[in-house]
Amino acid sequence: ETGVTQSPTHLIKTRGQQVTLRCSSQSGHNTVSWYQQALGQGPQFIFQYYREEENGRGNFPPRFSGLQFPNYSSELNVNALELDDSALYLCASSGGTGDEQFFGPGTRLTVL
Amino acid sequence: GQSLEQPSEVTAVEGAIVQINCTYQTSGFYGLSWYQQHDGGAPTFLSYNALDGLEETGRFSSFLSRSDSYGYLLLQELQMKDSASYFCAVLNNNDMRFGAGTRLTVKP
Repeated sequence: ETGVTQSPTHLIKTRGQQVTLRCSSQSGHNTVSWYQQALGQGPQFIFQYYREEENGRGNFPPRFSGLQFPNYSSELNVNALELDDSALYLCASSGGTGDEQFFGPGTRLTVL
Repeated sequence: GQSLEQPSEVTAVEGAIVQINCTYQTSGFYGLSWYQQHDGGAPTFLSYNALDGLEETGRFSSFLSRSDSYGYLLLQELQMKDSASYFCAVLNNNDMRFGAGTRLTVKP
């Protein structure tokens, strides 16, 4: 059974640029959630995808967008990067009930 | 609005018992989860309570009182490797909201 994987591990961008982060869900999981975790804080929910449809969204602006593909892998896109977007971005997959989420190792994004 | 409150830091010694409390205010509540995160690592699932009462999994137990919007994580026989951040998280309709985390330091 393959766990949740994310790429890239680290990324450095400048203000105004765009970034795409990728996540492969655990085998058999059809739900993917994305979180932003600032240093010393808890993960903040960005959005969730279930069977290729956005299924819930947190308090993030529209420049945060996503996709889920037929194989249930997912992308997080962030446009017009701001300094405050610097954080660890985590994706988590679950089997639909959502009570246990399996997190990937995260992508550390630094915006200069 | 939605909010979760948990202590920011707790310190205990090896072999001791520690309780981390979590109070929440939310709508569409389904259940309360607990996650552990070591420095530089990803959160890992510890427990989930959908109904009132105590759930025990080895050295860790979790409790929920829906009427009080309150839960706790109980860690027994503390080990050095338990030093980590612990997050309570509320499962709503289609999302999971995390608290700010409690940093547990276990001392020899």
